[in-house]
Amino acid sequence: EDQVTQSPEALRLQEGESSSLNCSYTVSGLRGLFWYRQDPGKGPEFLFTLYSAGEEKEKERLKATLTKKESFLHITAPKPEDSATYLCAVVVGSYQLTFGKGTKLSVIP
Amino acid sequence: DAGVIQSPRHEVTEMGQEVTLRCKPISGHNSLFWYRQTMMRGLELLIYFNNNVPIDDSGMPEDRFSAKMPNASFSTLKIQPSEPRDSAVYFCASSLDMGFHLYGYTFGSGTRLTVV
Repeated sequence: EDQVTQSPEALRLQEGESSSLNCSYTVSGLRGLFWYRQDPGKGPEFLFTLYSAGEEKEKERLKATLTKKESFLHITAPKPEDSATYLCAVVVGSYQLTFGKGTKLSVIP
Repeated sequence: DAGVIQSPRHEVTEMGQEVTLRCKPISGHNSLFWYRQTMMRGLELLIYFNNNVPIDDSGMPEDRFSAKMPNASFSTLKIQPSEPRDSAVYFCASSLDMGFHLYGYTFGSGTRLTVV
């Protein structure tokens, strides 16, 4: 069975304190890995797609990387507005996204 | 573009009642998904439509759940009869399928369903 595990479940950072979120997966035939951001009361918002090991994508203070077994979302010098739940999802077939349960990030001013 | 529009935003109903959730996908998107989100199980795919045709409904919990997509701009998810364990946030998402959903899905803001 395809599995996606995110860690930690929750993370509290001081403003400016860089860190990484982890997404490990056990799937057969990975076609892509997605990162989403979800704010309270809203739907997930697309951030990145990664397709192959070694690939990296950046957006503002966020950088996503992919290996054969896991993906990291690095947050550099976070700000309070980066507080959200970050979800990763893997694609095995052509459309089926299997989501992890997310990491709830809180950035304290 | 207004994005994916869901209604209602909140729904409180009594056990045994019928509930209908509605979704308007992004114009031009040919794929539509219904997801359910709970604390325990996270986001789960319920059903997937492509060009208005249901392709995969293996995630629909049981016969109490049904979904339709009569045209490219509208879909409904119906629960009849509703039960307290159906309480969750239901998301609709749409995407442009070019053989692979390159840009992920665009999610609506969800409907928070509470069955008492």
